Amino acid sequence: EVQLLESGGGLVQPGGSLRLSCAASGFTFSSYAMSWVRQAPGKGLEWVSTISGSGGSTYYADSVKGRFTISRDSSKNTLYLQMNSLRAEDTAVYYCAKSTGYCSSTSCYEHYFAYWGQGTLVTVSS
Amino acid sequence: DIQMTQSPSTLSASVGDRVTITCRASQSISTWLAWYQQKPGKAPNLLIYKASSLESGVPSRFSGSGSGTDFTLTISSLQPDDFATYYCQQYNSYSWTFGQGTKVEIK
Repeated sequence: EVQLLESGGGLVQPGGSLRLSCAASGFTFSSYAMSWVRQAPGKGLEWVSTISGSGGSTYYADSVKGRFTISRDSSKNTLYLQMNSLRAEDTAVYYCAKSTGYCSSTSCYEHYFAYWGQGTLVTVSS
Repeated sequence: DIQMTQSPSTLSASVGDRVTITCRASQSISTWLAWYQQKPGKAPNLLIYKASSLESGVPSRFSGSGSGTDFTLTISSLQPDDFATYYCQQYNSYSWTFGQGTKVEIK
């Protein structure tokens, strides 16, 4: 059974940093692209970032490019999201999601999400 | 980026009703479209992929259709468990985008 468990959320001041983690189990972690998707309070879903199975290719939404870094550790079956220079508009529930497909150096294919974690809340406020 | 526009934003319906939600892409995405259901406080749940393929375990009252820029999600007979918010997502090209959501409410 595929399981994704996020952690690391919390309250942080504007300009601060936070690192989210997602522990994965139930599948061959290194074979699948992994993503972060967020949802601001009362709002819709926003794709944030994706990393290929090998970790060699990464993709970011324009809204977080240059501030967030996605990474993965296949020895620990764990996905990460390092979030720097946080803004009030980054306040959201952050979901870890497993892609059905794969990523090349230029894009990802079959890139929809059959498995999601329960989410972790990040609040950016002074 | 490809913009995804859903309509309506809110839909009021009764148990047993046939419900249709529309999703329009700002450019052609072939059939690279997924639909999700989300209930309050929960993660999204995949219903449909490749515009019309039903995800394993999803009731057959859910169906999807369309190609190019226009897509629909249909619930043939609305059940109490179906009151939720529904999102479409295009995966034709980076960056991958969602519609703004359609909330299905009890009439």
